[in-house]
Amino acid sequence: NAGVTQTPKFQVLKTGQSMTLQCAQDMNHEYMSWYRQDPGMGLRLIHYSVGAGITDQGEVPNGYNVSRSTTEDFPLRLLSAAPSQTSVYFCASRPGGETQYFGPGTRLLVL
Amino acid sequence: GESVGLHLPTLSVQEGDNSIINCAYSNSASDYFIWYKQESGKGPQFIIDIRSNMDKRQGQRVTVLLNKTVKHLSLQIAATQPGDSAVYFCAEQTGGSNYKLTFGKGTLLTVNP
Repeated sequence: NAGVTQTPKFQVLKTGQSMTLQCAQDMNHEYMSWYRQDPGMGLRLIHYSVGAGITDQGEVPNGYNVSRSTTEDFPLRLLSAAPSQTSVYFCASRPGGETQYFGPGTRLLVL
Repeated sequence: GESVGLHLPTLSVQEGDNSIINCAYSNSASDYFIWYKQESGKGPQFIIDIRSNMDKRQGQRVTVLLNKTVKHLSLQIAATQPGDSAVYFCAEQTGGSNYKLTFGKGTLLTVNP
């Protein structure tokens, strides 16, 4: 299994641009989530999904959209990037139990 | 709101020594706790977990202790190695929150050879 994969690894955007961060898992996990990690802030939950077709907001959802059309994929969309969205983004998945498996992360810089 | 926090943001130890990383939590309803290790440039990696009906759980070279009376969690690493150098996060989950984990800010562990 490849586990949790994320693309791209790095991205630079200009303010106002849009982009989609991709996340995929091949472990048939029901639950998937997106976190952002900022210095001194720890990991904060953006959006999560408990199964295909079901998504919900986390702690910091503003400025981000998600969808879950398949079990495997959980893309995160930035419709109009802002400098405050400069961060490292982690996708995670888990089966019915609580142990989460994290992807390698996407480093995003918004100028 | 309630949160998970760490007492020490940095910890430096000598190779071969034991390391202890502490975590305080404030939500008495939390019933599941996890420790993650994050190496530079990588995603968090699961180390060990513990449920609130336990006081202690051991893994390979790691032990997690839970003191519900004072809402304190600790991670003990035996015979610390240079490869243990990383940021360590604790996280808590409250029953009924389904999927939401609350993470602490992390402790940077540096192992000196």
